[in-house]
Amino acid sequence: SQKIEQNSEALNIQEGKTATLTCNYTNYSPAYLQWYRQDPGRGPVFLLLIRENEKEKRKERLKVTFDTTLKQSLFHITASQPADSATYLCALRPTGTASKLTFGTGTRLQVTL
Amino acid sequence: DVKVTQSSRYLVKRTGEKVFLECVQDMDHENMFWYRQDPGLGLRLIYFSYDVKMKEKGDIPEGYSVSREKKERFSLILESASTNQTSMYLCASSPLGGLDIQYFGAGTRLSVL
Repeated sequence: SQKIEQNSEALNIQEGKTATLTCNYTNYSPAYLQWYRQDPGRGPVFLLLIRENEKEKRKERLKVTFDTTLKQSLFHITASQPADSATYLCALRPTGTASKLTFGTGTRLQVTL
Repeated sequence: DVKVTQSSRYLVKRTGEKVFLECVQDMDHENMFWYRQDPGLGLRLIYFSYDVKMKEKGDIPEGYSVSREKKERFSLILESASTNQTSMYLCASSPLGGLDIQYFGAGTRLSVL
């Protein structure tokens, strides 16, 4: 069966460190993979997209990698700050499907001083 | 900025009531979506619409219907609310051919008593 898995346990890190979140998928052929941020009581907000033929994408302190052999994407936040505390969702659009995304359950990140 | 507006942030309804959740987007997006989000289950697609009067069932359409009479507005209808429909409901929109980046509303937290 098709699955997208993110670590359901919260990730706690110290301010200034690099946070790394994982998204694994099985039985999908994603055209691309997206990462969203969700704050409590709010809707998700798009952060980054990476295509199947790209290995890495960066935006300011954010970096996403995509390994289609391992069927895994890693999301990094460097020099993390308490304001980065939120839940991060990965989403993929399988090849051959139009417009719809499948979301992971998200990983909650807590950055402490 | 894209704006997706959901008509209510919080709703409390009684079992058996007919419930309407409204969503309006201001960016002329073709695609609109309704999700529900529950702890541990993530975002699950209820219904999707790719054009006015067009709809497609998502993963969990049972107990729900939708209406899209105008491009900017997508309504979710609970014909006879039940307690297991207590959840956070999120509306999203995306442009056709736009890498499927979705823009979400703030969500409606519905409690069915």
